[in-house]
Amino acid sequence: AQTVTQSQPEMSVQEAETVTLSCTYDTSESDYYLFWYKQPPSRQMILVIRQEAYKQQNATENRFSVNFQKAAKSFSLKISDSQLGDAAMYFCAYRSYDDKIIFGKGTRLHILP
Amino acid sequence: GAGVSQTPSNKVTEKGKYVELRCDPISGHTALYWYRQSLGQGPEFLIYFQGTGAADDSGLPNDRFFAVRPEGSVSTLKIQRTERGDSAVYLCASSSLAAGGPDTQYFGPGTRLTVL
Repeated sequence: AQTVTQSQPEMSVQEAETVTLSCTYDTSESDYYLFWYKQPPSRQMILVIRQEAYKQQNATENRFSVNFQKAAKSFSLKISDSQLGDAAMYFCAYRSYDDKIIFGKGTRLHILP
Repeated sequence: GAGVSQTPSNKVTEKGKYVELRCDPISGHTALYWYRQSLGQGPEFLIYFQGTGAADDSGLPNDRFFAVRPEGSVSTLKIQRTERGDSAVYLCASSSLAAGGPDTQYFGPGTRLTVL
């Protein structure tokens, strides 16, 4: 069975600085999708970024980028120029072709003004 | 609609009661998913619908939990004889399965269920 591990329960970063959130996963599949979701106090899960496992190029969405290391089964999220609105729970997630998403336990990110 | 909606936003019930949680997916989305998020945890998969049928219900914890999607749009998650351990946020997501592989799941705001 697939698993997703986020080893950092909480992290803090100074506003305008860069922070990296870690995620590792375990799977025997070769084709799958990886995601980072953001969950603010409103509970709404918001997709931040998505990576297809067959793509070698790391995904980038504005200030958010990933470092996808398929062999190491690592999928970290880098947030550049952190903003106060980035404060939230961040979940790393794995999705295989049977469609269910497996989430990590999350990392709570604090932005320090 | 513009996004996935869920009602009620919050539900408080007593142990042993029956509850129904509703999910309205994004219009046109054929796939619908239910997840349960306990305090301090990531969401856990419960059940997945493709159209009207449950394609995968392997995440339902026991036979007190049941979900339907009779017309392939709105879905209702039903919990019988609620227990305090059922207290959690229940999240719904929908996606449009395009040819070539799974599409992104879009989540609703969830229903917070509290069983006293």
